[in-house]
Amino acid sequence: GAVVSQHPSRVICKSGTSVKIECRSLDFQATTMFWYRQFPKKSLMLMATSNEGSKATYEQGVEKDKFLINHASLTLSTLTVTSAHPEDSSFYICSARLGTSGVAEQFFGPGTRLTVL
Amino acid sequence: DAKTTQPNSMESNEEEPVHLPCNHSTISGTDYIHWYRQLPSQGPEYVIHGLTSNVNNRMASLAIAEDRKSSTLILHRATLRDAAVYYCILHNNAGNMLTFGGGTRLMVKP
Repeated sequence: GAVVSQHPSRVICKSGTSVKIECRSLDFQATTMFWYRQFPKKSLMLMATSNEGSKATYEQGVEKDKFLINHASLTLSTLTVTSAHPEDSSFYICSARLGTSGVAEQFFGPGTRLTVL
Repeated sequence: DAKTTQPNSMESNEEEPVHLPCNHSTISGTDYIHWYRQLPSQGPEYVIHGLTSNVNNRMASLAIAEDRKSSTLILHRATLRDAAVYYCILHNNAGNMLTFGGGTRLMVKP
């Protein structure tokens, strides 16, 4: 199947700093990528939909100025957590959809574990 | 997306079949039934999806009730590597994103 990578796999940062997470589709082009967040023992929660060449669409309750998303190419989307705080510590997962059909399967990255001290 | 209901957890013995149920009584005619699973500390991976007919692939089988209000994911021979959280998700062409519920945590005993 198609491969989605994330970098870094884990990051530890100090409170107040910004962290950038990259999501790449390695062997296909993705006009749409999705960013999820998962707290321990909880399910995935969609944060935003990243659209190549246009602004991201954020879910209710997700601050767009805090979680900056850039989808500059068909194979790369980035999520920047600005001024990170301990409550932002979580497992961040991206996914990309293969094809344009809404029911096409999604391919998920391996996740990035963010720890904010 | 319509809601799905799954048991919080299930146990299975290695090498035995596993039937993971999912109820989706409010499913609409255009909703596909998707199954994903998430191994510990990894991103979810696609397992299978279907609309009305039962589906088989190399990973699993999907049995869909005639009224489509429930479905069952079947792992024919559970292995220790199948221990994961299994998510049943309804998805249609109107939306792009997947909405994850609580899923079923499958534990496989050797």
